Amino acid sequence: AQKVTQAQTEISVVEKEDVTLDCVYETRDTTYYLFWYKQPPSGELVFLIRRNSFDEQNEISGRYSWNFQKSTSSFNFTITASQVVDSAVYFCALSPRGSSNTGKLIFGQGTTLQVKP
Amino acid sequence: ETGVTQTPRHLVMGMTNKKSLKCEQHLGHNAMYWYKQSAKKPLELMFVYSLEERVENNSVPSRFSPECPNSSHLFLHLHTLQPEDSALYLCASSQETGLRTDTQYFGPGTRLTVL
Repeated sequence: AQKVTQAQTEISVVEKEDVTLDCVYETRDTTYYLFWYKQPPSGELVFLIRRNSFDEQNEISGRYSWNFQKSTSSFNFTITASQVVDSAVYFCALSPRGSSNTGKLIFGQGTTLQVKP
Repeated sequence: ETGVTQTPRHLVMGMTNKKSLKCEQHLGHNAMYWYKQSAKKPLELMFVYSLEERVENNSVPSRFSPECPNSSHLFLHLHTLQPEDSALYLCASSQETGLRTDTQYFGPGTRLTVL
């Protein structure tokens, strides 16, 4: 089964707090890709990051960082020193690379992050 | 700024109307997608076109009819919709080589309300 679980439905923090969004995935494929997207109130999904299953190196981009651990099938996303503009729905997604899954993205339910001033 | 545009941004239609959603990508990609996003549900993939051929149709009712006249344009024709079809319809595009997954880039969506 191919599945993405984002157990946190809603998170509320105060500005400048750090916050971690959890993502757990299931796949039998040995090759796959993981993504995070941000959906602000305007509706558009904004691409944040893509990782392939062979690269477990953690990544940092400004205030954003990602922790990929194959041993626990997790791909967590941390925002450091959160800001009001970070308020959005965040989606984790899996793209398995089995022969019948070309380009298919499987999304989690999303986590709504509210950052209060 | 976005490489993927969608029109209209908002649409209200009755159950007997016929309307079309349009998506255009300016990224030179060869694959395009329609997704449906309903309240409290994950994004659902509806259709995939690769090189203008439909490669995936996820058991979508026939009242939704996609059309991909070229690699830059994608339409979703709607007729006799139901109120439960009210949702945000998102278009995306990517460059598929068959060897690896490239990133899908999304448009702003069309917010559809069926009365």
